[in-house]
Amino acid sequence: EDKVVQSPLSLVVHEGDTVTLNCSYEVTNFRSLLWYKQEKKAPTFLFMLTSSGIEKKSGRLSSILDKKELFSILNITATQTGDSAVYLCAVAIYYGGSQGNLIFGKGTKLSVKP
Amino acid sequence: IAGITQAPTSQILAAGRRMTLRCTQDMRHNAMYWYRQDLGLGLRLIHYSNTAGTTGKGEVPDGYSVSRANTDDFPLTLASAVPSQTSVYFCASSTTGTPGEKLFFGSGTQLSVL
Repeated sequence: EDKVVQSPLSLVVHEGDTVTLNCSYEVTNFRSLLWYKQEKKAPTFLFMLTSSGIEKKSGRLSSILDKKELFSILNITATQTGDSAVYLCAVAIYYGGSQGNLIFGKGTKLSVKP
Repeated sequence: IAGITQAPTSQILAAGRRMTLRCTQDMRHNAMYWYRQDLGLGLRLIHYSNTAGTTGKGEVPDGYSVSRANTDDFPLTLASAVPSQTSVYFCASSTTGTPGEKLFFGSGTQLSVL
């Protein structure tokens, strides 16, 4: 059975701390891994990763994929209260043609305290 | 502002009633999706449509139906609501429907079935 596991489920840090969120997966026909940030409502896209070892960066956020060990990490440096959110990891599976699936992890709830 | 519009924002519904959740996008995306999000279970795909006129079943389709008469609209219908359908429902879209491409989400509909 395909699965995506995120850890920790929740995390409380103080402003300025650096955090690492984890996403491990066991799937067949891996295509890509995506990270989303969900504040109060709609998830918003952060990164898409398809190749091992290539770091994606956006400001204080960065992410990297390890396709050998089947995991990804999302790093946030110098955290701010605005980083408080649920971070979702999703893995895309591709069967061929237009057939595939996107499996979401349960998310990591990050709370950044002033 | 371009994006996905969902309506209503929230709804309380008596069990056994019929309900249609509306979703409209103005990005001319081919693919649209309906997810439900439940505490501890993450986002789960209900139905999807890769192009106008076609639909498919996701992970949890029972009790729900969809139609895709045109590119922009993708309504989700609960024919006879049950309490287990209490959830937050998100509509999403993507450019082509190729597995793993970036999803754009609506703001969600909070549905409570009593």
